[in-house]
Amino acid sequence: TQLLEQSPQFLSIQEGENLTVYCNSSSVFSSLQWYRQEPGEGPVLLVTVVTGGEVKKLKRLTFQFGDARKDSSLHITAAQPGDTGLYLCAGEDNYGQNFVFGPGTRLSVLP
Amino acid sequence: DVKVTQSSRYLVKRTGEKVFLECVQDMDHENMFWYRQDPGLGLRLIYFSYDVKMKEKGDIPEGYSVSREKKERFSLILESASTNQTSMYLCASSPPDSGNEQFFGPGTRLTVL
Repeated sequence: TQLLEQSPQFLSIQEGENLTVYCNSSSVFSSLQWYRQEPGEGPVLLVTVVTGGEVKKLKRLTFQFGDARKDSSLHITAAQPGDTGLYLCAGEDNYGQNFVFGPGTRLSVLP
Repeated sequence: DVKVTQSSRYLVKRTGEKVFLECVQDMDHENMFWYRQDPGLGLRLIYFSYDVKMKEKGDIPEGYSVSREKKERFSLILESASTNQTSMYLCASSPPDSGNEQFFGPGTRLTVL
């Protein structure tokens, strides 16, 4: 079973700051998703990346898939309290046989 | 928009009780999933289904069973609830060939006393 590790586990920052969270594995993934989960709700899909080196932007969020497709990062510019939540990465292996979630990074943006 | 609904947001049961968690999706998705979410462990797949009356074990199926009699409904059953099944249970659905882009329900927080 593959593992996805996420770092940091917790992050608390002030409104307006920039931040980057990471998702890493020793395995190659055919695709990787990022989800955000707000307290008391289910995760909501933010983006899917499939190509090594791919960069996708969603307003103030920038997602990058590593060249080797083993890792990904999420960068948030000028964080806002509405960005608070649990950020989960999830990936499918190259054989389409395993799909796993990472443990998440819990982000708190203070006003 | 896809809507996935779960029968209860909060549930309290006693050890040994039989527990039914219901999930309904309104987008005619073939794939449906049940996860449990525990702090520091992320989401762990219990069971999934690719079609009506089909079910496949996920990573942690022990102590659970599922039923998919209709395409839109996927039920999770705890035959005899135990305290270690206290958790957040999340249902999700996805269309075929979606690249694992799943739509989640709001979750059911189950406490087993």
